Amino acid sequence: NAGVTQTPKFQVLKTGQSMTLQCAQDMNHEYMSWYRQDPGMGLRLIHYSVGAGITDQGEVPNGYNVSRSTTEDFPLRLLSAAPSQTSVYFCASSSPLGGSGNTGELFFGEGSRLTVL
Amino acid sequence: AQTVTQSQPEMSVQEAETVTLSCTYDTSESNYYLFWYKQPPSRQMILVIRQEAYKQQNATENRFSVNFQKAAKSFSLKISDSQLGDTAMYFCAFMKPGNQFYFGTGTSLTVIP
Repeated sequence: NAGVTQTPKFQVLKTGQSMTLQCAQDMNHEYMSWYRQDPGMGLRLIHYSVGAGITDQGEVPNGYNVSRSTTEDFPLRLLSAAPSQTSVYFCASSSPLGGSGNTGELFFGEGSRLTVL
Repeated sequence: AQTVTQSQPEMSVQEAETVTLSCTYDTSESNYYLFWYKQPPSRQMILVIRQEAYKQQNATENRFSVNFQKAAKSFSLKISDSQLGDTAMYFCAFMKPGNQFYFGTGTSLTVIP
C-alpha cells in the first residue's frame, strides 16, 4: 500500500524556471492538498481539492497552480520559480468525515525539498 | 479565520520523564477536530493522536494523551515515559468540516538520554 507518493524528493531550480511536483494517492481519497513548510512557520496551505475537477486556493497560493483531473493525482506547478519558493513541500490526502472508519486524518507524502537559486 | 498557536518553539525532557506540549486555537466553529502530528528527522509526518471536539473524554494512545479544554480552546499533548525516539517536531492541527486543516508553528522536542 503506497499511500501518498510525491516526486521528486529533491530539486534545485534557477530563478524563472518552471517545474511540477507530482503527487499521487492510492487510497481513493476525495480530499487532496499541498502545503509548504518553512522554519518557524509550520505548514501553510497552498491549494486544495475536494474532488476531481475541483480546486481552490489556500493561504499562500501565489506563484502556484494545481489541477485535479483524476481522483488519484494532484500535481503542483511552479510557474516561474523565485527564491521565496525555496521550501519543503508536502502533499496530503484525506477522506471526508462520516464515512465508515474515516477519521479525517491527513495522510502525508514524504515531502519534496525545493531550492531556488 | 482559524488560528493555531504553539507557544513553545523548543522543549527538552529527560528520558523516562513526562513532558507536556501546549496548543491553543481560535475558532467560531462548533464542530471540529484536533490533531497532533509528529515529524521526526526523516521529515515524514506521523499522526500521534486526534480528538473530536464533541467528545468530552480526553483521547489517549499508549504513552500519549491530551488535555482538551474546549471552553479555553486548549489542546495540550502529554508524553509519558519519554523515549529517545520521541525526539521530533510536534505540530498541533485544527480541522474544520470540509477537511481544511490549520497547523501551528511546531514545537521541537528533544529527549535527553
